[in-house]
Formats: sequence, C-alpha cells, structure tokens
Amino acid sequence: GAGVSQSPSNKVTEKGKDVELRCDPISGHTALYWYRQSLGQGLEFLIYFQGNSAPDKSGLPSDRFSAERTGGSVSTLTIQRTQQEDSAVYLCASSQFVGVKGEAIYFGEGSWLTVV
Amino acid sequence: GENVEQHPSTLSVQEGDSAVIKCTYSDSASNYFPWYKQELGKRPQLIIDIRSNVGEKKDQRIAVTLNKTAKHFSLHITETQPEDSAVYFCAAESYNTDKLIFGTGTRLQVFP
Repeated sequence: GAGVSQSPSNKVTEKGKDVELRCDPISGHTALYWYRQSLGQGLEFLIYFQGNSAPDKSGLPSDRFSAERTGGSVSTLTIQRTQQEDSAVYLCASSQFVGVKGEAIYFGEGSWLTVV
Repeated sequence: GENVEQHPSTLSVQEGDSAVIKCTYSDSASNYFPWYKQELGKRPQLIIDIRSNVGEKKDQRIAVTLNKTAKHFSLHITETQPEDSAVYFCAAESYNTDKLIFGTGTRLQVFP
C-alpha cells in the first residue's frame, strides 16, 4: 500500500475488555514497530518485529500486552483487561530493512484508544 | 539501557529567527539519528536524518549536526515560519539493537 495503515482509527472500550489493534505496513517493509503516545507526551517504544520474530519485547508495559505478526506483514497488538491508563494513541511504523543499519521508519495515523 | 534526552521541552521564536533543539544519547553504539515533526493530531513525519559517519547534513532551512564524541546531536531551523510550529522529536538507533528510541519532544511555536 501507499502508507502504513492502522485500524481502528478510534476505539472506545470499557475497562476490563480486551482490544485488538491492527497494523498493515508499507508493502515490502520487513521491520515493524509499535509505539504508544499518551496525550501530549513522547513516543514510548513497545515492540519491534523483524519479519515475524520480535527480538525485543522489553517495551511492553505489562503481561496484558502482546503482539504478533504473521506472514511478515500484518501485525496485531492486543491489550487484555484494559485499564484507564492504557488510553493513548498506539502508533505503528515500518521500515525497509535489507541488512543496512539505519533505515527511516514511517508511521501510520495511529489508533486512538480510550478506556472508560 | 538506551536513553535519549531532548531540550528544551518548549521553544518560542519570532518568525524569521532561528531555532535550535538539542539531544544527547547514552548508547555509544548508536549510529542513526532521525528527526520527526508532529503536527497536532497527526502522525510523526521524518524531516531529516543523519548517520554516524557524517558530522552535518543540510536540507534547505533545516540542518542537523552530530558530535559522536560528546554523544550530542542538534536540529537547526533557520528563517522560521509559522508553519514550522509543531512538536519535534529526535531519535537514536543502536547498531546493536535496531531499536529506535525517541526523545521527549520539543514544542516549537513560531509567532508571526
């Protein structure tokens, strides 16, 4: 596709419910990232995929958060038993990683999650 | 772990003046340093980047400098315009981890 696509763009959920956020990276991009941005705050690293594997899961805030990527393309970020502090914009980004270090990453529009 | 500090958190300048945003990084293996601009309610967008084998890079009114010894890098915007108003994020990527870590952001306001 032309850019990184995320869905849903907005999600309001009740505390305690599970949510799934989807990211479709730019076609041909092998690296995929998830970041979280709370209102007016910076970009918090969550997880990174190279192909289908996630070398670094250290940024996931708790065991309620998980992510997977299948087929080297679409990724899903799942938040179980949502809490109000999970309210934020979840940004996905992708980059073309062909063995050369230092590639620009390109962000999607984000999924705005509100937990009420 | 990796850490990127960014200063100032807010910056107000008059149109036409220059703006400078500074970042420091902790991981000496960092080798890639992009800068992103985020307008209100929009996605962060790459505006310029620099790799560790280069000390300075320019693109029209924007320039970035890198001091590897001091682990500092800076964004310079000259002849600022109101449309430059946004939040700017620096970032550093470690050669060892491929993880891109962002600074806390600088809110730039350019007054006409």
